[in-house]
Amino acid sequence: GAVVSQHPSWVICKSGTSVKIECRSLDFQATTMFWYRQFPKQSLMLMATSNEGSKATYEQGVEKDKFLINHASLTLSTLTVTSAHPEDSSFYICSASDAYTQYFGPGTRLTVL
Amino acid sequence: AQSVTQLDSQVPVFEEAPVELRCNYSSSVSVYLFWYVQYPNQGLQLLLKYLSGSTLVESINGFEAEFNKSQTSFHLRKPSVHISDTAEYFCAVSDIGDDKIIFGKGTRLHILP
Repeated sequence: GAVVSQHPSWVICKSGTSVKIECRSLDFQATTMFWYRQFPKQSLMLMATSNEGSKATYEQGVEKDKFLINHASLTLSTLTVTSAHPEDSSFYICSASDAYTQYFGPGTRLTVL
Repeated sequence: AQSVTQLDSQVPVFEEAPVELRCNYSSSVSVYLFWYVQYPNQGLQLLLKYLSGSTLVESINGFEAEFNKSQTSFHLRKPSVHISDTAEYFCAVSDIGDDKIIFGKGTRLHILP
């Protein structure tokens, strides 16, 4: 149980385009989902907390207009990187909360050319 | 929780030898504690967690961790490691009642043949 999927697993895009990443909880409903960013050989950096049916809460320093988060249902949250630039290249990981525990997706590697 | 400290960034250990990965935290309230494992280019997998009850918790693959409230520690141990245990291990803490978790910087477990 407690499986979280992400799609796509990797994506390459041109600078200036937008990319959408999906995060789904497959066998449980998640009122709260989280989006993280991970740089090579570093820990996870929380970007935002996504609550179903309400606006996401962004961490300090994260541009909410650049990283658009939508949590349309109890099993789906999306992160859209708008007008992507090479510095947005990173590993993006989502998690879904169930019974005080976060379960993580497999991650999405974004490369912006 | 205010912080999580994993003092060792890397731990080399011979195969079949025991290992301990250290984790200390600071918090002014009661906490939940987690260990996650990350294999290369993958998301995080929950290894074990302490929510309440017995302070010694075990995973299905032989790892165990003990919550020590007086020392604010949650060290991870395994009596005999296998080459497949090579991965990055993250200790994480959340305040009871808070969905957010704080991660340590991670410890890379390097198994030597």
